[in-house]
Order: sequence, then structure tokens, then C-alpha cells
Amino acid sequence: DSGVTQTPKHLITATGQRVTLRCSPRSGDLSVYWYQQSLDQGLQFLIQYYNGEERAKGNILERFSAQQFPDLHSELNLSSLELGDSALYFCASSVVRGPGGANVLTFGAGSRLTVL
Amino acid sequence: GQQLNQSPQSMFIQEGEDVSMNCTSSSIFNTWLWYKQEPGEGPVLLIALYKAGELTSNGRLTAQFGITRKDSFLNISASIPSDVGIYFCAGQHNYGQNFVFGPGTRLSVLP
Repeated sequence: DSGVTQTPKHLITATGQRVTLRCSPRSGDLSVYWYQQSLDQGLQFLIQYYNGEERAKGNILERFSAQQFPDLHSELNLSSLELGDSALYFCASSVVRGPGGANVLTFGAGSRLTVL
Repeated sequence: GQQLNQSPQSMFIQEGEDVSMNCTSSSIFNTWLWYKQEPGEGPVLLIALYKAGELTSNGRLTAQFGITRKDSFLNISASIPSDVGIYFCAGQHNYGQNFVFGPGTRLSVLP
């Protein structure tokens, strides 16, 4: 158990629908990252939050949005779903320390989204 | 956006052989991370590197932070079947920023 909790583990839905993926970071980690991994592909960075505020944005579609709440959990909202949105969505958390400190990503087990 | 290149893309080796893979970038990173991902699972951190020239081991795994800060290397010695998986490198330009991932090296170990 990595300490990063993602729900749901599996989700099957239809095109045009909207889903919400949830992530609870590891205790003490302030930063949350979302990544998308399509079949046999690498990890594509979507968005990063630090202590409730958006810090960086990657290749996130306008149909997707995210937020980090005061208790530091994060949600990724995917709307108007298309077949191509089927993928594994990973959340990762990190504690942001200064130079020389431990600054690594810890991943959750992922949420597998299937759009039919 | 920033791209990381990993080579080889995939490799098939015999059990007991040593493995070498690398990750290169066109820009400088302050942190390099190496992850392993098994099917249906999230990536698991293998080694973290924070300083140019740093050489760090984790059991049979050894990784190095290139002195140019634009590359990193991962070696696996005496491979075993459970080494099978996809190995990703990830780089971070500055502390607190997002991590960029390479496309991965898919390792298959033949008994």
C-alpha cells in the first residue's frame, strides 16, 4: 500500500457521460498530481495542485477539470466523455521540500476508466 | 512540451543477464526518478537521484544522475523473472514542479 488512495478502481460508462475520480494523498503530502496513461502508453501529465491551489497544467482537455480540497484530497472531473478517454488515471502525491530533501512522487493504484 | 527519451523501447533478455537503459533530455533536470510499473498497477519508485554525478543502488539496481544533468542511467544486474515490467524515468526541473515522464522501457526476462 503506497498510502495514496484512489477511487473507484474501475469505472465503465457511456460516451457523453461525466465521471469523478477521487484521490487521497499520502499523509503529510501537500502536492497532488494527475496523470493519464492510455493503453501501452507512457504517463501524460494532466495537472498539479499544491495545498489547494493549481500549480501546473499539462495536456489537460477543457472537458476535464480538477480541484484540491482543504483536507488535501483531490478530484478529477471528466465530462462529455469520448471513447478516447478510456485510460488509466493515476494520482500521485509528493511532499515539497527544499533542495536536498526527499522530493518524489508516490502513486496510487489508479482508476481504470472504460468509455463504451 | 518537454520530452524525455528512453532507450531501448523494449528489450528481451535471458534470466541472469545484466540490463542497461537510459533516459535523455534536451534540458537540465534537478531530480531524476526511476519507476517500475507492472500490469494494472501504479508505478513504484525504484531510485531517486538529486545530484549530478550521483550513483545510487537499491539491491540489484543501480542508477546514475548524468554529469550534464540531461541524462540518467539505470542498470539491473543478474536479472530475474520478477524484473519484468515497464521502467519509466521521470525528471523534474525545479523542486515543487511537475515531473515529466519518459515513454518507458519494456523489459521481458526469458527463463
